[in-house]
Amino acid sequence: DQQVKQNSPSLSVQEGRISILNCDYTNSMFDYFLWYKKYPAEGPTFLISISSIKDKNEDGRFTVFLNKSAKHLSLHIVPSQPGDSAVYFCAASGGSQGNLIFGKGTKLSVKP
Amino acid sequence: GAGVSQSPSNKVTEKGKDVELRCDPISGHTALYWYRQRLGQGLEFLIYFQGNSAPDKSGLPSDRFSAERTGESVSTLTIQRTQQEDSAVYLCASSLGGRGRPGQPQHFGDGTRLSIL
Repeated sequence: DQQVKQNSPSLSVQEGRISILNCDYTNSMFDYFLWYKKYPAEGPTFLISISSIKDKNEDGRFTVFLNKSAKHLSLHIVPSQPGDSAVYFCAASGGSQGNLIFGKGTKLSVKP
Repeated sequence: GAGVSQSPSNKVTEKGKDVELRCDPISGHTALYWYRQRLGQGLEFLIYFQGNSAPDKSGLPSDRFSAERTGESVSTLTIQRTQQEDSAVYLCASSLGGRGRPGQPQHFGDGTRLSIL
């Protein structure tokens, strides 16, 4: 039973356009959400996070949106660059679930 | 370096052998975590350390798996009598404070790729 779901295994976007990566969760006790980026043969790198008291957090080209009523969050990357090509993992924690629960990831390809 | 360091980066061993994986967290990080990533899957939590104690071992898949941490620093994950299904990338992460605290994300090492023949 997946508590964090990334339903799109892959996404392809043209350089300069917006990339939108989606994540859904089932546990209403989650109150902290993170996005990680992972290149092959490297560990995940922390990108951006959001706590449940906010609905938006922005850091440069990266913005995370949280819709608590829909139990949905998304990561927007704009403008997308070829170096953004990687696997992006959504993760959540909170309540009795103190550990980070990860989705299976979405592979983003940004084409020049 | 300043990041989480794991060794070895790759390990190939025969079924039935024991393996030991090492993690050096970021200096000053009190929390340390082990995860496993099987091919095509997300990260699977194994164990969490706060200081040298492990308040949550709920993710360890069997009693063949154990971990310890000493000096609030280095941690080792030991897998005894390895099986082929143990093949995965084992990732270690550390964070400044306790798990799941907003503003204190986990920082990952590059992992150990374990292959059981």
